Amino acid sequence: QSALTQPASVSGSPGQSITISCTGTSSDVGAYDYVSWYQQHPDKAPELLIYEVSNRPSGVSNRFSGSKSGNTASLTISGLQTEDEADYYCTSYTNNVLPYVFGTGTKVSVL
Amino acid sequence: QVQLVHSGAEVKKPGASVKVSCKASGYKFTAFYIYWVRQAPGQGLELMGRIDPTTGGTDYAQKFQGRVTMTRDTSISTAFMELSRLNSDDTAVYYCARYYDVLTGIDYWGQGTLVTVSS
Repeated sequence: QSALTQPASVSGSPGQSITISCTGTSSDVGAYDYVSWYQQHPDKAPELLIYEVSNRPSGVSNRFSGSKSGNTASLTISGLQTEDEADYYCTSYTNNVLPYVFGTGTKVSVL
Repeated sequence: QVQLVHSGAEVKKPGASVKVSCKASGYKFTAFYIYWVRQAPGQGLELMGRIDPTTGGTDYAQKFQGRVTMTRDTSISTAFMELSRLNSDDTAVYYCARYYDVLTGIDYWGQGTLVTVSS
């Protein structure tokens, strides 16, 4: 199955808000509210940021928020901080034998 | 607390096989699928497949069919991923991860195992 499409890079200044898109199809993102987002710092394993489109696990800053419209999910980071520099990946449930698909990943830079 | 601890880094020659282990602790091992995901240097996350620790049943991504074997040993709460016929494109960090449920997806990741394929 094809990967979900994310922009390769997004940048912003400290304090600004940025949004990362994650575009899938009517078989994955558009069909289910089972989108998750992960943050990955260099040489570290990914960490769960958002699940079920817009829910944050305990301990995740409320500066991170998620939403979805049609086949596109979005992650918004508000009040951008230098520690937010990382790679971000979306995932979605999909009705396949292997029912999980990753996004292509987005590198966030804080200028 | 939930932990997934990988075996150490490996260096293999082209054509060889590698077997990576992932030891789970802090939860009931058989309650959740284990997914295997790899990441080549500077690249994104690539799903390889999953194993149901209860039954040992597996599902593999088409790209790895015939080359990957995922197993588990419930007596030691450990999952294994073996990849055969290695080539330089298989140089990557290999992660195991706990799949919590459909709503959440993966919630915990291991620290990863770097596999380097070089002659």
